[in-house]
Amino acid sequence: QTVVTQEPSLTVSPGGTVTLTCASSTGAVSSGSFPNWFQQKPGQAPRAVIYSTSNKHSWTPARFSGSLLGGKAALTVSGVLPEDEAEYYCLLYSGGAFVFGTGTKVTVL
Amino acid sequence: QVQLVESGGGVVQPGRSLRLSCAASGFSFTDYGMHWVRQAPGKGLEWVALISYDGRDENYADSVKGRFIISRDNSKNTLFLQMNTLRAEDTAVYYCAKVTFYYDSSGYSGLDYWGQGALVTVSS
Repeated sequence: QTVVTQEPSLTVSPGGTVTLTCASSTGAVSSGSFPNWFQQKPGQAPRAVIYSTSNKHSWTPARFSGSLLGGKAALTVSGVLPEDEAEYYCLLYSGGAFVFGTGTKVTVL
Repeated sequence: QVQLVESGGGVVQPGRSLRLSCAASGFSFTDYGMHWVRQAPGKGLEWVALISYDGRDENYADSVKGRFIISRDNSKNTLFLQMNTLRAEDTAVYYCAKVTFYYDSSGYSGLDYWGQGALVTVSS
């Protein structure tokens, strides 16, 4: 059973940069895991941000970017805005199934 | 615009069954795979199941395999989740979500559009 781990919480100042990571218990995350990232605000459905490691959806602001970093998937938000405060989840494809990460609560303070 | 609307949630006793529906509009439903994802109260997201655009391929999370069945009716643009032998730990908001790329049977391209969710509560 694959476990996908994210930082429980991160705090960033408005205008700053924050990087979230996504690690797999089975080893290094690669492009073959097709990492996805989702943003979820309280009381709302998740919203897709990044697919296939680094691709943005048509609605994804330019300040969001995805990459692979040190064996993990990463989501970087540059020039953070107050509305970026949310829970963020990664999703990895693993052995015919999909596994969500544990989630990272990003606080903008 | 793409719309996904779940229905069929409610309160059900342990061991009973429930069927969720997801009505899709605003895109060519027959060309896209579909997922179910759930979220227990106060918890994170859990992937549940995927069905290919043509209904030929299905994948399930281990936690629901053998109890839940994902299906679709392409003539009615509707996705289903038949949930049998329900347990208290199945209590969650259930979301349907669309696969990003058309004809992507394996779901590699991820999920783009999501519904607002349907709450299922399993309790005696």
